[in-house]
Amino acid sequence: AQRVTQPEKLLSVFKGAPVELKCNYSYSGSPELFWYVQYSRQRLQLLLRHISRESIKGFTADLNKGETSFHLKKPFAQEEDSAMYYCALLSGSARQLTFGSGTQLTVLP
Amino acid sequence: NAGVTQTPKFRVLKTGQSMTLLCAQDMNHEYMYWYRQDPGMGLRLIHYSVGEGTTAKGEVPDGYNVSRLKKQNFLLGLESAAPSQTSVYFCASSYFGTGNTGELFFGEGSRLTVL
Repeated sequence: AQRVTQPEKLLSVFKGAPVELKCNYSYSGSPELFWYVQYSRQRLQLLLRHISRESIKGFTADLNKGETSFHLKKPFAQEEDSAMYYCALLSGSARQLTFGSGTQLTVLP
Repeated sequence: NAGVTQTPKFRVLKTGQSMTLLCAQDMNHEYMYWYRQDPGMGLRLIHYSVGEGTTAKGEVPDGYNVSRLKKQNFLLGLESAAPSQTSVYFCASSYFGTGNTGELFFGEGSRLTVL
């Protein structure tokens, strides 16, 4: 069965510092991975997907199949990046998402 | 364009009571999902539907039932609420077919407390 692991429940960094949110997955097929973000009092929304290899709000994530990882990175954190971040794996005939447990990122002034 | 709408947003129940959460989407999506969000456990899939009249079990289906009588609506029912069902419930939908990027569109959540 598929599994997504986010080892850090809480992560705090200072504004301007680099940030990396870790995500590891377990899946027998070819993975499709995503990062979703939930800002305070807002609904969960897509941040980025590995297939598009894009940078959104300065965040990037590279799929490393050898290490089965999909870590989210940003070189210079901003206070508005404070949010809950979920790594997710797409699978199944209904293309459902399996989520990690989430990392609460706090960017300190 | 409202997207995905959930009602009610808040509800307090006593153990043993029943209730239904309604999810409505106006994007003509085929796929719909119900997740629950618990601290330290992320979002876990309860039930899902790939189209009108079809439903299937997810990771944590026990104690819940669902129905998809209309394409735009996906109902989640609790027949006999238990304190373990205290959670925030999220509905989501997605598009089927070519062009499906895998993105799910979420509702704002429904916070349920079972006393």
